[in-house]
Amino acid sequence: KQEVTQIPAALSVPEGENLVLNCSFTDSAIYNLQWFRQDPGKGLTSLLLIQSSQREQTSGRLNASLDKSSGRSTLYIAASQPGDSATYLCAVNYGGFQKLVFGTGTRLLVSP
Amino acid sequence: GAGVSQSPSNKVTEKGKDVELRCDPISGHTALYWYRQSLGQGLEFLIYFQGNSAPDKSGLPSDRFSAERTGGSVSTLTIQRTQQEDSAVYLCASSLNRGTDTQYFGPGTRLTVL
Repeated sequence: KQEVTQIPAALSVPEGENLVLNCSFTDSAIYNLQWFRQDPGKGLTSLLLIQSSQREQTSGRLNASLDKSSGRSTLYIAASQPGDSATYLCAVNYGGFQKLVFGTGTRLLVSP
Repeated sequence: GAGVSQSPSNKVTEKGKDVELRCDPISGHTALYWYRQSLGQGLEFLIYFQGNSAPDKSGLPSDRFSAERTGGSVSTLTIQRTQQEDSAVYLCASSLNRGTDTQYFGPGTRLTVL
């Protein structure tokens, strides 16, 4: 069964800290992996997409890495800000019809 | 440009009634997806459209659920004889093509079945 797990479930940090969110997945035969953020009561905002042939992607203060052999991805957030507070979701595309299998998310709170 | 839009944003209905949820994908996106987000189940896939056809309906939880897409654009998810366990946020996403492209999500429809 294809499963995606995210650790930790919740994280609270003071503003300015660098932090890492973890995502692990079963079955290394993935097509791509996508990181999203979700604000309370809102839809999902795409942050980064990593294709299976890539090792990492960067956008501003965000950096996502992918290690297929170990079934892991990390999302690194540099110099965190209160506006980064949200739930972060990792989603794996296992190919076929391209549906995403989502992790359970990490709820991040950045305090001023 | 405009993103994915969904309507209504909130829907409250009585058990046993039928409901229709609408999704307008980003213009030109050929792939469209429906997902459901509920407290106990997290985010789960329901159905995928490529153009007007649905090659993957594997996530539809029962035959009370159906969806269609017309003109390669707007999609409607219909739930017949709603049950309380159908209460959830229904999210729609679209991507330019299937495969390598980012999926862009709409704001969702929050369905409450009383």
